[in-house]
Amino acid sequence: NAGVTQTPKFRVLKTGQSMTLLCAQDMNHEYMYWYRQDPGMGLRLIHYSVGEGTTAKGEVPDGYNVSRLKKQNFLLGLESAAPSQTSVYFCASMRTNSYNEQFFGPGTRLTVL
Amino acid sequence: EDQVTQSPEALRLQEGESSSLNCSYTVSGLRGLFWYRQDPGKGPEFLFTLYSAGEEKEKERLKATLTKKESFLHITAPKPEDSATYLCAVQAVGNAGKSTFGDGTTLTVKP
Repeated sequence: NAGVTQTPKFRVLKTGQSMTLLCAQDMNHEYMYWYRQDPGMGLRLIHYSVGEGTTAKGEVPDGYNVSRLKKQNFLLGLESAAPSQTSVYFCASMRTNSYNEQFFGPGTRLTVL
Repeated sequence: EDQVTQSPEALRLQEGESSSLNCSYTVSGLRGLFWYRQDPGKGPEFLFTLYSAGEEKEKERLKATLTKKESFLHITAPKPEDSATYLCAVQAVGNAGKSTFGDGTTLTVKP
């Protein structure tokens, strides 16, 4: 099993450009999450999904959109990138049984100039 | 609103020097408290889940404990390979598995 994979690993954007980050998991997990991590800080939840076709806002959703068209994939979109969105983005997935840990991808490092 | 505070922010130890990391939390109905390890440039990796006060879990040189207000990650006789950032997170009951993370403690173990 590959676990949770993220594409791309690195990306540099100019202010105003758009891009999509892809997260894929092969563990048949129902729940998926997008976080951002800034230097010296923990993980902040952007959006999450409790199943195929469903999405919901997390703690810091502004400037981002998501889609979960297939159970194994969770896409994070930036429509008009801003320097404040420079960060490392992590995707995670989780089973729906009680008391489960989250499995994280390797992260995408995004720089917005 | 759920909150997680970790201390200290950074901890430097000599190899073999035991110590503890603290995670204080407030949550409306604890479903689980999680400890993760994060190496530089990588995603967090799961270590432990604690469900109720009084519970303890051990893995090699690490031991996690839980009270109603805080959790400790005890590191016994650490080695340089234990150097990493340790993240604490809580999940509340009925919250779709969403986790609230602390800012982490960066542990450096010198040989």
